[in-house]
Amino acid sequence: DAGVTQSPTHLIKTRGQQVTLRCSPKSGHDTVSWYQQALGQGPQFIFQYYEEEERQRGNFPDRFSGHQFPNYSSELNVNALLLGDSALYLCASSSKPNTEAFFGQGTRLTVV
Amino acid sequence: AQSVTQPDIHITVSEGASLELRCNYSYGATPYLFWYVQSPGQGLQLLLKYFSGDTLVQGIKGFEAEFKRSQSSFNLRKPSVHWSDAAEYFCAVNAGGTSYGKLTFGQGTILTVHP
Repeated sequence: DAGVTQSPTHLIKTRGQQVTLRCSPKSGHDTVSWYQQALGQGPQFIFQYYEEEERQRGNFPDRFSGHQFPNYSSELNVNALLLGDSALYLCASSSKPNTEAFFGQGTRLTVV
Repeated sequence: AQSVTQPDIHITVSEGASLELRCNYSYGATPYLFWYVQSPGQGLQLLLKYFSGDTLVQGIKGFEAEFKRSQSSFNLRKPSVHWSDAAEYFCAVNAGGTSYGKLTFGQGTILTVHP
């Protein structure tokens, strides 16, 4: 049983560019959440998708957007990248919004 | 707003010694509580969770945690630490209800294990 898979594993982008990160949830899971983890910090909640809708959003600007597809996979898009967007981006999936979450290995984004 | 505090940024123990990592949360009701472990550059692995019921919960890798409502705490314990337990540990809270599964994490505690 594949767990949560994220792609790519590493990414280097230039300031001002746009990036798309992808996540496939664990089999049987229908809810996907995204987190940003800066170096030396705990993960910060970006948003959660359930039934293809954004259900809740953390304190992140509109440059951060997402999408959930009918097969429950999800994308995180970040526009107009800033140096401060450099972080490990984690995707988590669960079988319903309020059950335990399983995390992927993350995408390490470096903005130069 | 809910918050999670892990008072110890870095803890060092000897292999075979006991371990307790502290976690305090701030929230009006009893939230769902979790402990995750993260190896360098990796994702988070769920160690254990508390939703309701018995306040002492058992997890994987020999870890346990005790929920104390009066102290708003959910401390992680292990009776005998192994070198492979060296990692960063995160306590997390889910307020439940309309929070739709949003996890609020503490800052993490880095565990170093000496041989």
